[in-house]
Amino acid sequence: NAGVTQTPKFQVLKTGQSMTLQCAQDMNHEYMSWYRQDPGMGLRLIHYSVGAGITDQGEVPNGYNVSRSTTEDFPLRLLSAAPSQTSVYFCASSPGQVLGYTFGSGTRLTVV
Amino acid sequence: AQTVTQSQPEMSVQEAETVTLSCTYDTSESDYYLFWYKQPPSRQMILVIRQEAYKQQNATENRFSVNFQKAAKSFSLKISDSQLGDAAMYFCAYRNNYGQNFVFGPGTRLSVLP
Repeated sequence: NAGVTQTPKFQVLKTGQSMTLQCAQDMNHEYMSWYRQDPGMGLRLIHYSVGAGITDQGEVPNGYNVSRSTTEDFPLRLLSAAPSQTSVYFCASSPGQVLGYTFGSGTRLTVV
Repeated sequence: AQTVTQSQPEMSVQEAETVTLSCTYDTSESDYYLFWYKQPPSRQMILVIRQEAYKQQNATENRFSVNFQKAAKSFSLKISDSQLGDAAMYFCAYRNNYGQNFVFGPGTRLSVLP
């Protein structure tokens, strides 16, 4: 049982480049989210999904897009990378509203 | 909007001793859930303990227990018999009864001294 799988684990981008962070879960969880972690700020929600075909914005959505075509996959797209998007990104999933999240291992992204 | 505060950026504890990490939150909701997550140097986020606001009994998981004071909006984590493997960042998190967003505190870095 793989849980939540994120790829890549590390990435360096140049300003203006685009890329997709992949996230897949094999637990049939309805809820999936993307967070970014910055020093001293905890984790902040970027986008989330409550099921296939349904997505919504979180606290810091600007510069990011998501889609949820299947229950398993929830990719995060950076449209035009900026240095302010340098961060650690976590994907997480949950089977319901009141249970804890299972997190992926994170992606460390550096934008130069 | 809900907020979560962890007033201790760093804490340290001697191995085998007990330490308490503080967390306060602000909400107008009556039903919600509170969590403590551990993030070791591996970066993996690990669920430590979970508390339902409607339960008066404090949650316990082995050496980890909470002191949940609903009226004071306080949710502290007590680690007993601290071990070297407990060294990590600890995040307090809030989740309401209908939304699916977690609100995280800024974290407390715990060091365990041999």
